[in-house]
Amino acid sequence: GENVEQHPSTLSVQEGDSAVIKCTYSDSASNYFPWYKQELGKGPQLIIDIRSNVGEKKDQRIAVTLNKTAKHFSLHITETQPEDSAVYFCASHGSGNTGKLIFGQGTTLQVKP
Amino acid sequence: EPEVTQTPSHQVTQMGQEVILRCVPISNHLYFYWYRQILGQKVEFLVSFYNNEISEKSEIFDDQFSVERPDGSNFTLKIRSTKLEDSAMYFCATQGTPMNTEAFFGQGTRLTVV
Repeated sequence: GENVEQHPSTLSVQEGDSAVIKCTYSDSASNYFPWYKQELGKGPQLIIDIRSNVGEKKDQRIAVTLNKTAKHFSLHITETQPEDSAVYFCASHGSGNTGKLIFGQGTTLQVKP
Repeated sequence: EPEVTQTPSHQVTQMGQEVILRCVPISNHLYFYWYRQILGQKVEFLVSFYNNEISEKSEIFDDQFSVERPDGSNFTLKIRSTKLEDSAMYFCATQGTPMNTEAFFGQGTRLTVV
């Protein structure tokens, strides 16, 4: 069935270091891959997304890479700051055209000052 | 910035009771979704809704659940005869188009069944 696997489940880095979160997906027809940041008590908020026609996308300190052949995509955060601490979810569109999202298990990122 | 609004933020209900969770979508969005997140777990798809009907539902979304858009603005999730395992955060999300565009999530309703 449709599945998205995300690793690691927790990640602790020093302020200023980089953080990398990796996801793999099962549905080869998926062509849209968003990343969401969830702060405590709030709903997920989109931070960056990538479509299958590109291999990499960057927005300031955040970048996402996509390898369609291997069916995996990664989030890279450089120069991490304490306010980056949150739970990060990767997702992909499920099969069909309804727009539903299949989420990974989430990564709790802690940035130590 | 446009936002999805959910009410209530927290609902406590007794097992067996019915609850209705409400969502006000972004005004020009046509595709609506409900997701569930059990504490400490991933966000799970429940149902998608377009043109006043369900377009897809997951295995979780059984006869206990229903959705509707009764007045053309609010989008509601009704849970009949709640069970302890229904305790979770419920998120509404909306999109302007179904594919390749951002899904905007509300802040969630925390449902606690006691």
